[in-house]
Amino acid sequence: DIQMTQSPSSLSASIGDRVTITCQASQDIANYLNWYQQKPGKPPRLLIYDAANLETGVPSRFSGSGSATDFTFTISSLQPEDIATYFCQQYDNLPLTFGGGTKVDIK
Amino acid sequence: EVQLLESGGGLVQPGGSLRLSCVASGFSFSNYALSWVRQAPGRGLEVVASIIHSGGSTYYADSVKGRFTISRDNSKNTLYVQMNSLRAEDTAVYYCAKNGANHYYYGMDVWGQGTTVTVSS
Repeated sequence: DIQMTQSPSSLSASIGDRVTITCQASQDIANYLNWYQQKPGKPPRLLIYDAANLETGVPSRFSGSGSATDFTFTISSLQPEDIATYFCQQYDNLPLTFGGGTKVDIK
Repeated sequence: EVQLLESGGGLVQPGGSLRLSCVASGFSFSNYALSWVRQAPGRGLEVVASIIHSGGSTYYADSVKGRFTISRDNSKNTLYVQMNSLRAEDTAVYYCAKNGANHYYYGMDVWGQGTTVTVSS
């Protein structure tokens, strides 16, 4: 199975801060990577697909980059509604696997 | 609007069975693969079962293989999972999720609200 290692596992930031989360795959997954946002008691919401493409309706302050084994997810200016846990997911190979998540809260 | 609505969760004793259902709307159901993804309390996400658009091919996680059966009825826009021989470690929120294309090799782009399964005596 492909292991997805996310870091950090949690972070605190101020409103307006730039927030960066990384995801490392245990093998080359090309650009077959999604990023999801999950708020408490809610299902995951797709934000970024194919590593760098913004899903329709998602604010442009969210972005993704990377390829092969190293990926980055960025919130350019943290907003109060961005408080959530963020997950990466690879879909290069079965089983589709997720990172452990990064919990983002307000400092 | 694309919607997925799960039902069928509940409390069941170890060794028992449950069938979850997921009714879909807002998209061409028969053109997309679908998956069941679970999230145990305070834990991450695990794809437990997936099925291609036609129902002709399925995937199961090793943790549920031989105990869970995924199926779909394209005439009813409904996805199912039959869960037998349930164990405490199956306790989780179970999400129905739409894959991004007709095969389950594609990631999930829409998720239901989830249904909770609790396995306990």
